[in-house]
Amino acid sequence: DSGVTQTPKHLITATGQRVTLRCSPRSGDLSVYWYQQSLDQGLQFLIQYYNGEERAKGNILERFSAQQFPDLHSELNLSSLELGDSALYFCASSAGNIQYFGAGTRLSVL
Amino acid sequence: AQSVTQPDIHITVSEGASLELRCNYSYGATPYLFWYVQSPGQGLQLLLKYFSGDTLVQGIKGFEAEFKRSQSSFNLRKPSVHWSDAAEYFCAVGGIYSNTGKLIFGQGTTLQVKP
Repeated sequence: DSGVTQTPKHLITATGQRVTLRCSPRSGDLSVYWYQQSLDQGLQFLIQYYNGEERAKGNILERFSAQQFPDLHSELNLSSLELGDSALYFCASSAGNIQYFGAGTRLSVL
Repeated sequence: AQSVTQPDIHITVSEGASLELRCNYSYGATPYLFWYVQSPGQGLQLLLKYFSGDTLVQGIKGFEAEFKRSQSSFNLRKPSVHWSDAAEYFCAVGGIYSNTGKLIFGQGTTLQVKP
């Protein structure tokens, strides 16, 4: 158990909808990272937050947004969903240079 | 551009045989290097890491990796594979001088273990 909790584990929705993925980092970790894992793109970095502030952005679509709250949990919001957004979304947290990953949220867009 | 290449998409080894998974990276500075393992339906678990110092690093589950700067490689090895090692393995690189710890992953190598 990495100590990083992601909910829900599975999400099935339709095209055009909006969903929210939640991540609770390890106790005391200030950094939260979001990654997308898909068959065609592999594991791609989306965005990083550090203590509530956006620190870095990767290949994140404009339809996607994230935030980190004062209690350090983070949410990834995906809107106007397309079939191609179906993927496994991972959250990771770190206090230094090692990232600990949650079990992921599998999103299926039908 | 920063990148990680895992040349082998799929590898099959017999139980008890030795294993080497290849990883090559392209990075503009001295990188942090990692190997993660992903079992079906699971998240990514850190096997080992290299930051500096001894270029041969030991990890969990009997794995080791060797950093070779001249070859830009960080290959993962295990002397004797167990059936429970069947999983997908990812090599990743991060920057030590950047203000972000984002990781760049290779495409992964799927390991199948034959009884």
